[in-house]
Amino acid sequence: EVQLLESGGGLVQPGGSLRLSCAASGFMFSNYAMSWVRQAPGKGLEWVSGISGSGGTTYYADSVKGRFTISRDNSKNTLYLQMNTLRAEDTAVYYCAKVPWELVLAFFDYWGQGTLVTVSS
Amino acid sequence: DIQMTQSPSSLSASVGDRVTITCRASQGISNYLAWYQQKPGKVPKVLIYAASTLQSGVPSRFSGSGSGTDFTLTISRLQPEDVATYYCQKYNSALLTFGGGTKVEIK
Repeated sequence: EVQLLESGGGLVQPGGSLRLSCAASGFMFSNYAMSWVRQAPGKGLEWVSGISGSGGTTYYADSVKGRFTISRDNSKNTLYLQMNTLRAEDTAVYYCAKVPWELVLAFFDYWGQGTLVTVSS
Repeated sequence: DIQMTQSPSSLSASVGDRVTITCRASQGISNYLAWYQQKPGKVPKVLIYAASTLQSGVPSRFSGSGSGTDFTLTISRLQPEDVATYYCQKYNSALLTFGGGTKVEIK
């Protein structure tokens, strides 16, 4: 059974940093691309960043480019999102999502339960 | 950047009704489109990918069609458990954009 478990969310001040983690199980992690998708309170879904199965290819939404870094440790079956220079508009539930193949350009067949990031002073 | 526009933003229909949701891309995306259902307080779930392929386990009352710039999600006979917000998502290029969502309620 595919399981994705996010952690690392919390309250952070504007300009601060946070690192999210997503522990994956139930599938061969290195064979699949992964993404982060966020949802601000009461709003729609926004794709944030994606990474190929090997980790060699990454993509970012314009809204986070230069501030967020996606990475993965295939030996630990874990996906990360390093978030720097956080803004109030980054406040959202952050979901870890699995892609059905190795390449980033795809839809999402499994989602984690999400972790809430709140940026506020 | 390619924009994804859904319509309507919300709708109310009776149980058993046929419901159609539209998603329009600002440029052609071939058939690189997925549809998701997000029930209140729940995680999104993929219904359709490649514009018209039903994900395993999804009821057959859901169907998708379209190619290029215009796509539709159809619920053939609306059920109470279909109350949710539905999103389209393109995946033909690096920005994996979602539509704004369509909230479906029971009349």
